[in-house]
Amino acid sequence: DTEVTQTPKHLVMGMTNKKSLKCEQHMGHRAMYWYKQKAKKPPELMFVYSYEKLSINESVPSRFSPECPNSSLLNLHLHALQPEDSALYLCASSPGHLQETQYFGPGTRLLVL
Amino acid sequence: DQQVKQNSPSLSVQEGRISILNCDYTNSMFDYFLWYKKYPAEGPTFLISISSIKDKNEDGRFTVFLNKSAKHLSLHIVPSQPGDSAVYFCAASARNYGQNFVFGPGTRLSVLP
Repeated sequence: DTEVTQTPKHLVMGMTNKKSLKCEQHMGHRAMYWYKQKAKKPPELMFVYSYEKLSINESVPSRFSPECPNSSLLNLHLHALQPEDSALYLCASSPGHLQETQYFGPGTRLLVL
Repeated sequence: DQQVKQNSPSLSVQEGRISILNCDYTNSMFDYFLWYKKYPAEGPTFLISISSIKDKNEDGRFTVFLNKSAKHLSLHIVPSQPGDSAVYFCAASARNYGQNFVFGPGTRLSVLP
């Protein structure tokens, strides 16, 4: 299994809603990532979990809250988002060492109204 | 300041010909590079990588060349196929960046039949 899965594929939420994005991989990878991608821009790193511990937080607003319940799962909890947070949210995983290829999921397309 | 640049936002190539996608970087600490391909509404797919100890890496129709002195790398696709039409991202990392990759803005390749 060389796949990273993400649910839901699409999400529309209001600014007062609370929602969660989910990511799962069964490749035995120990590093997992959240990226945000706006239209016609490159992916921007948000968070890195390494061996289930948060190792990088790229100054992301607290309305985004990551969680890594186990080595296969990664969640991104969303609360009080703004319309400018609308984007494609990508999850990726890698084996867990330095400078390894990251494998991406298909993304969740988020629209904040 | 963009550390990874892909100065051609788009490129059109005839089917069967060579596609050359370019990437320049400014950080001399970068020593590992990846190319990803991305179709609309999908996550990036890993294509090929190169470490700074090499100047060329080949995988089937894809070859990546690295010129460290010029801080330049290029991806060659030969022969180009219509299915290669996608956005191509160059990504770079340095040992002291840990698991963090910096992505370029992408080049949209169109292979015309």
